[in-house]
Amino acid sequence: AQSVTQLGSHVSVSEGALVLLRCNYSSSVPPYLFWYVQYPNQGLQLLLKYTSAATLVKGINGFEAEFKKSETSFHLTKPSAHMSDAAEYFCAVIPNQAGTALIFGKGTTLSVSS
Amino acid sequence: NAGVTQTPKFQVLKTGQSMTLQCAQDMNHNSMYWYRQDPGMGLRLIYYSASEGTTDKGEVPNGYNVSRLNKREFSLRLESAAPSQTSVYFCASIGPDYEQYFGPGTRLTVT
Repeated sequence: AQSVTQLGSHVSVSEGALVLLRCNYSSSVPPYLFWYVQYPNQGLQLLLKYTSAATLVKGINGFEAEFKKSETSFHLTKPSAHMSDAAEYFCAVIPNQAGTALIFGKGTTLSVSS
Repeated sequence: NAGVTQTPKFQVLKTGQSMTLQCAQDMNHNSMYWYRQDPGMGLRLIYYSASEGTTDKGEVPNGYNVSRLNKREFSLRLESAAPSQTSVYFCASIGPDYEQYFGPGTRLTVT
C-alpha cells in the first residue's frame, strides 16, 4: 500500500533559522506530491505541489521542496523561519496520477520561537 | 466563486443520534472527497465520489454513508453517532491540475 512518512511530529526552530520538514513516500511510480499547511482551527491550504515537471518546486510564503526520486523524498524547506510560519504541515501524495484521493502523512507541527 | 462550502461548522451530538454533513462546490469538479482529521493521524479518507452518481469507500468508511446528490453536492451521513466519530470533517474536490480544494471543516463532538 502507498504511504507517506513525515519524520518528526514536532519541529522547533528559532526565528530566522532554516526550516526543514521531512517527507518520504512509498510508490512504485513517481507520484504527484503536495505540501499543505493548516493554521489553528482552519482548513488546509496548499503550499506547493510536484506534478512531474521541475524537481525543485517553489511555493507560497517562501517555501520550496525538492523531489528526489532516488531517495523517494519530498522535503520542505524555508531559508528563514518567521513567527507566522508556526502551523501544522502535511505532506500528501496522489500515488498513481489517476486523480484518486490524497494519502496524507500524519503531520508535523512547526513551532517558531523568538 | 465560493469554492468548497460545508455546513454546519460545529455540531454536538449525543450517542445514537444521526446527522448529515453538507458539502457543495461551485468549481464544476467531477471528483469529491470526505476526510476526517484526528490528532496525530493526519487526514484519512472516508468516502469519495469520482463522478456524479458514483461513490466508493475509502480507508475508514464504517459508520458513515454518503450521497452524491448532483455534481455540486456530496453529503456525509452518520446514522447512529458514536464517540469514536468525534473528529473534524473536511470535504474536498479535485481540479484538473490534481490540486484538492478543501472546505473549512466541520467540528463534530459526540458525547
